[in-house]
Amino acid sequence: AQSVTQPDIHITVSEGASLELRCNYSYGATPYLFWYVQSPGQGLQLLLKYFSGDTLVQGIKGFEAEFKRSQSSFNLRKPSVHWSDAAEYFCAVGAIYNFNKFYFGSGTKLNVKP
Amino acid sequence: DTEVTQTPKHLVMGMTNKKSLKCEQHMGHRAMYWYKQKAKKPPELMFVYSYEKLSINESVPSRFSPECPNSSLLNLHLHALQPEDSALYLCASSQGTGEKRNTEAFFGQGTRLTVV
Repeated sequence: AQSVTQPDIHITVSEGASLELRCNYSYGATPYLFWYVQSPGQGLQLLLKYFSGDTLVQGIKGFEAEFKRSQSSFNLRKPSVHWSDAAEYFCAVGAIYNFNKFYFGSGTKLNVKP
Repeated sequence: DTEVTQTPKHLVMGMTNKKSLKCEQHMGHRAMYWYKQKAKKPPELMFVYSYEKLSINESVPSRFSPECPNSSLLNLHLHALQPEDSALYLCASSQGTGEKRNTEAFFGQGTRLTVV
C-alpha cells in the first residue's frame, strides 16, 4: 500500500535561513511525487512535481526537491526562507494505476522567525 | 486558466438542512475530486469522478451525495449532516487521461462548512 510520511510536524526557521522539509514514501514502483503548500483556510497550491527524469526538480517560489530512490525520499528545500513562506506543507504521492488517487502526508507546519 | 472555483466560500447549515457545494473548472480536466480536511490534518479523499462517472467512493456516509453533471462541474449535496462533518471541503481536478492520467491535481480554495 502507498503511504507518505512527513516526520516533522512543526519546523521553525529564521528568515533568510535555509529550509529542508522531509518526505518519505512507500510505493511499489516509481511514484509520482508532489509538494503542495497551504496557507490557513486556503486551498492547496502545487509547488513542484516529480514524474521521471532529472531527480532534482525546481518549483515555484524558489523551492526545489530531490528524489532519492535509494532512500525513498523526496525532500523539499529552499536556500533562503521568506516570512511569506510560513504555511503548511504537504507531500503527496500519486497512485499511477489507481484512478488518480493521491495520498497525502500529514503535513509540516513551517513557522518563520523574523 | 488553471483555476478551480468553489462556491460558496463559507456555509453554515443546520442538521436538518439540505445544501450543495459547487465546483467548476475549465481546464478540460476529466478527473475531479472531493476532499475533506479537518483542522491541522491532511486532506482526506472522499470521491473521484473520472469522465463524469464515479470511480472512487472512499466509504463516505450517504448524507454526502456527489454529482457530476458535466465535465466542468462537480457538486456535493449535503443532507442531515452532523456537527463532526464541519470541515474545509476541497475540490480538485486533474488531467486524468491516458498516460497523463495522474498528473498533478489543481485545488480550489475550499468551502468552509460549519454544521450547527
